[in-house]
Amino acid sequence: GQQVMQIPQYQHVQEGEDFTTYCNSSTTLSNIQWYKQRPGGHPVFLIQLVKSGEVKKQKRLTFQFGEAKKNSSLHITATQTTDVGTYFCAGNTGFQKLVFGTGTRLLVSP
Amino acid sequence: NAGVTQTPKFRVLKTGQSMTLLCAQDMNHEYMYWYRQDPGMGLRLIHYSVGEGTTAKGEVPDGYNVSRLKKQNFLLGLESAAPSQTSVYFCASSPFGTTYNEQFFGPGTRLTVL
Repeated sequence: GQQVMQIPQYQHVQEGEDFTTYCNSSTTLSNIQWYKQRPGGHPVFLIQLVKSGEVKKQKRLTFQFGEAKKNSSLHITATQTTDVGTYFCAGNTGFQKLVFGTGTRLLVSP
Repeated sequence: NAGVTQTPKFRVLKTGQSMTLLCAQDMNHEYMYWYRQDPGMGLRLIHYSVGEGTTAKGEVPDGYNVSRLKKQNFLLGLESAAPSQTSVYFCASSPFGTTYNEQFFGPGTRLTVL
């Protein structure tokens, strides 16, 4: 079946450092979504990318969708302690189901 | 507007016991989903529904059954619980499916099977 892998599994940064998580799919995606889950919480939608090569920004967060629509990345500039949590990508192959990545857990030390 | 709610929040079962998890949404969404979340494995789809009266299997359906008798409710049943079903269960809903719609998640149910 379709697999969506994320790296790294875990990253610990100092506040102010940058952070990037990468998402790779074994198949071409129609679109990709990103979610954030705070410790003890539930996933919350961040953004959706649809077009090949698309780049979207939300304040300090930059999201990219690869040209082949099989990979994506989330980059956070100058992390803050409020960025702590697990970030998931979720790929859609067009069958009305999302396949979630394994997630990247981010820890930010003040 | 409560969004997506789940009942119960926590539950401990013994092997072989049965239980039903309830998910309710007040956003009039057509699609509803049940996921399980295990450490290091992300969210895996158990079953989903594309509308009232419909259900379909997801990635890991074995050992679970579902029903969607009313549009706003989606029930997940465990007929004979096993320790491998210890997990955090999340329900989610979306307006029309995932192609161009975000999913809204409930707060989760933490289930332990002894």
